[in-house]
Amino acid sequence: EVQLIESGGVVVQPGESLRLSCAASGFTFDGYAMHWVRQAPGKGLEWVALITWDGDPTYYADSVKGRFTISRDNGKDSLYLLMNSLRVGDTALYYCVKDMGAVAGNPFDSWGQGTLVSVST
Amino acid sequence: SYVLTQPPSVSVAPGKTARISCGGNNIGSKAVHWYQQKPGQAPVLVIWHDSDRPSGIPDRLSGSNSGDTATLTISRVEAGDEADYYCQVWDSSSDHYVFGTGTKVTVL
Repeated sequence: EVQLIESGGVVVQPGESLRLSCAASGFTFDGYAMHWVRQAPGKGLEWVALITWDGDPTYYADSVKGRFTISRDNGKDSLYLLMNSLRVGDTALYYCVKDMGAVAGNPFDSWGQGTLVSVST
Repeated sequence: SYVLTQPPSVSVAPGKTARISCGGNNIGSKAVHWYQQKPGQAPVLVIWHDSDRPSGIPDRLSGSNSGDTATLTISRVEAGDEADYYCQVWDSSSDHYVFGTGTKVTVL
């Protein structure tokens, strides 16, 4: 059974940095692309970032490009999201998501339960 | 950037058919995926590549895609189908995934 367990979500102030982690199990982690998807309170889904099976290339939503960095450690079956220069608008539940394939273009077939990031003064 | 437009809400009586549209420029040329999200839960993939169903998804859910509109159809609607539904595509021109605006399905 695929399991994706996110951690690292906390309350931070605007301008601060935060790193989210996702521990994966139940599948061959280094065989699949991975994503971060976020959902602001009461809002819809927003794709944030994608990393292919071997870590290159990576892709980002325009709203986070230049501020967020997605990375992975295939030896530790873990996915990360480094978030810099956080804004109030980044407040959301952040999901770790498994791709159906190894590269871009496939659907998302497994989701974690999410970790909540709140950016507030 | 590529935009996917869905109706905010659809209401349907039990046993009837619900149709959820997803509009986008020439969306028929793209592979469309659909997700179901129940309150307090993570999304679940219910249709991929326009009309394929993952294992465990009932055949009451089906999808189609042509021209500027993709459609998720839920036949013989049950109370358990009440959820938010999102369409999604990969936009290769921008190297971005795009989600639709989401549709709340209410079972009357």
